[in-house]
Amino acid sequence: DVKVTQSSRYLVKRTGEKVFLECVQDMDHENMFWYRQDPGLGLRLIYFSYDVKMKEKGDIPEGYSVSREKKERFSLILESASTNQTSMYLCASSFLTYEQYFGPGTRLTVT
Amino acid sequence: AQSVTQPDIHITVSEGASLELRCNYSYGATPYLFWYVQSPGQGLQLLLKYFSGDTLVQGIKGFEAEFKRSQSSFNLRKPSVHWSDAAEYFCAVGGGGSYIPTFGRGTSLIVHP
Repeated sequence: DVKVTQSSRYLVKRTGEKVFLECVQDMDHENMFWYRQDPGLGLRLIYFSYDVKMKEKGDIPEGYSVSREKKERFSLILESASTNQTSMYLCASSFLTYEQYFGPGTRLTVT
Repeated sequence: AQSVTQPDIHITVSEGASLELRCNYSYGATPYLFWYVQSPGQGLQLLLKYFSGDTLVQGIKGFEAEFKRSQSSFNLRKPSVHWSDAAEYFCAVGGGGSYIPTFGRGTSLIVHP
């Protein structure tokens, strides 16, 4: 079974802090994704990566950056956390067949 | 551009009743179609997928979905709902060389005992 893990299930940070969310997949997938999920808005794509060191902006990249130094790991970085970044963050990976495999999510609260 | 519409934000059914969740898509070519389920506080889990072939696909947890090209629909069904099926359900469409699927806004399923 594909396994996607995220470093934290719950995270509380203060405004202005730098926040790192880590995602690791164990199936050698080429593609990795970061979404945020908010009530009524569904899933919104922040960034994705189709190879090591490659990244592409999604629909809402502002305020975020990413890093992919190894194939299995994709990190989401909030350079200076703000209260409007309080959300559920979901990581996913996929190979060639478009189906995505999701991690359990990180619920981030910025106070 | 591809898009997915899930017309029902909430659906309430009684345990043991049948279920149908609607999904309509817009896509220029043959789509790849997916249904995912999200239990409270969890990530999304793939229920089933359609790529080609038989238009009725079977998934996990007793779910099935039917691809109807003429109606641009991919509705999810289950003959008898269990209380543990209460969750958020997402339909998604992909294909055409882009490996980024488009998700619907989701349908929240409430199951009454």
